[in-house]
Amino acid sequence: GQNIDQPTEMTATEGAIVQINCTYQTSGFNGLFWYQQHAGEAPTFLSYNVLDGLEEKGRFSSFLSRSKGYSYLLLKELQMKDSASYLCAVMDSNYQLIWGAGTKLIIKP
Amino acid sequence: GAGVSQSPSNKVTEKGKDVELRCDPISGHTALYWYRQSLGQGLEFLIYFQGNSAPDKSGLPSDRFSAERTGGSVSPPTFQHTQQEDSAVYLCASSLEGSIQETQYFGPGTRLLVL
Repeated sequence: GQNIDQPTEMTATEGAIVQINCTYQTSGFNGLFWYQQHAGEAPTFLSYNVLDGLEEKGRFSSFLSRSKGYSYLLLKELQMKDSASYLCAVMDSNYQLIWGAGTKLIIKP
Repeated sequence: GAGVSQSPSNKVTEKGKDVELRCDPISGHTALYWYRQSLGQGLEFLIYFQGNSAPDKSGLPSDRFSAERTGGSVSPPTFQHTQQEDSAVYLCASSLEGSIQETQYFGPGTRLLVL
């Protein structure tokens, strides 16, 4: 079957760095998405990786290894507003999105 | 357990035709959300239902997309007179009660292609 795994919850300190991992097993691959979702709001697009390597976008970076079925989202210089759920999603060969359950990130002062 | 399911997985239609999207939320969930994802873009919120409350339609792009809740069930959203710009992946999500602390669980989406 198709599966996306990511940790349920992580805690980090303001100003620090945190890495949220995502592993996947899907029928084909047409890209991996990371979304940020604050409580009560719709998810916000963060990144899209379709080739191996690191994509950097300000304080956020996303890495993909297709051979390992693995991605991570790296958040630097953490701010209190980064407290949110982070969703990993993979688009399979039928262009269907397979979603992870999300990682709830708690930032402490 | 069973997650959110959507049908059809893929739909190809001609411009001007009506299309119905179906979503079955997780059993026991009372809140239902619809989003749209166009190629290369992020999710766009469309509409939200919770219980018997009036739906939040603030995200609807046009009056050609309709969805209503009658009684205990939600009618499948319908696209009327589809246009080429309606081509996208339509995602349904559900949560237990729709409160802000809850996780939304997403379905696999319906890929709509309007020729």
